[in-house]
This record gives sequence, structure tokens and C-alpha cells, in this order.
Amino acid sequence: EAGVAQSPRYKIIEKRQSVAFWCNPISGHATLYWYQQILGQGPKLLIQFQNNGVVDDSQLPKDRFSAERLKGVDSTLKIQPAKLEDSAVYLCASRSGETQYFGPGTRLLVL
Amino acid sequence: KQEVTQIPAALSVPEGENLVLNCSFTDSAIYNLQWFRQDPGKGLTSLLLIQSSQREQTSGRLNASLDKSSGRSTLYIAASQPGDSATYLCAVASTNAGKSTFGDGTTLTVKP
Repeated sequence: EAGVAQSPRYKIIEKRQSVAFWCNPISGHATLYWYQQILGQGPKLLIQFQNNGVVDDSQLPKDRFSAERLKGVDSTLKIQPAKLEDSAVYLCASRSGETQYFGPGTRLLVL
Repeated sequence: KQEVTQIPAALSVPEGENLVLNCSFTDSAIYNLQWFRQDPGKGLTSLLLIQSSQREQTSGRLNASLDKSSGRSTLYIAASQPGDSATYLCAVASTNAGKSTFGDGTTLTVKP
């Protein structure tokens, strides 16, 4: 079974630029999460999808972050404009039963 | 609001030692608790999941316990090996919707 795929693996941008991350969950997993993990901290949930509907986006900074999951499969997370404090690893996870399966993450550095 | 704390932040032990990692949470009304492992530059891998009705789960050399009333979970690693070196995170789900609150992890180093 293929795992959760994410791209790109690394991204360096300047502040005020925009960036987008892509996630392909494990086939058949209806629930998809985006997390932000700052160095030395645990992951913090940004948004949760059930199929193509948003379940929880209470911690998503909606003035600059957006996410979508068209057709209930792949998902994209966008930041526009980026700030220095957005430097982090962005993790995508999908769920089967009660276990979450994580992708390798996208490491973002904002200069 | 659920808060999850893991102490210590870092732990270094010689190979072969048995060790315990701690996780505490503030709201005992949890649905389940999960322990993850994270290797440098990688995503998280699920190790053990304990339902709120369970007291412990075991997988190989790993044993996780849960005491909801005291808001604590422990991860016991027997006969540690250098390959066990990683960051261990616990995550608490408050509902069956799957939203989890993570601790900041304990970074374990097992020295040969």
C-alpha cells in the first residue's frame, strides 16, 4: 500500500511570496489533515477534511492560509503572503479507522 | 482546551536499558491516545493507540499505559537499541472525529 505523498519536500521563499503544497492521501482514506510543525514542537492541526468538506479549520490563519480538497482526494495548502514565522514543516496525514498515517512533510523556509 | 505535556524533552540512555517516556494531559475526557515516532526529516509513524476504555497496549518491546483519571500515559521501551533513537510524540484525541492535540515530544538517544 502506497503511503501519503507530499510535494515538494523542500521550499525556500522570501517573505510576502506565495507558496503551495500538495498532498495525495492513501487511497480510500476519507479524512485528511494538514498540520504545521515548528522546530522543536509537536504538530498543530491547521485543517481537517472529511471527503471534500471541511470538518475543522479553527486554527487555520484564514487571512493568509487556504486549503482545498477537490473531489475528496488530493489536497493543496496555500500560503499567501508568507511571513517569517511560517517557517515550519507542513505535514499531511490521512486516516483509516482511528490511526493517522503521515506523509514525509514539506519543509518551508521563509527568508 | 486540551494541553499535552511530555517530560523530559530529551533523554539519553545506554543500549540495553529499559526506559519510560511520560505524557500528561489536562482534560481527562479523551477518546483515545496515540504514541508516534518521528525520525529526523521524516513524518510520524504510529506506534500504539490506546482507546479511552483500555489501560494498556503492547507491541513487541513497546508497552503503552493509560490512566485517564490522573491524565497520564507512559510508553515503556524494553531493552533499548540504537535504532530506537528518535523523537516520540503522544497525541490525545478528544472525540471520534480524529482531531488530536500533540505534545512536543521526547527526543531519545540510545548510545551503543
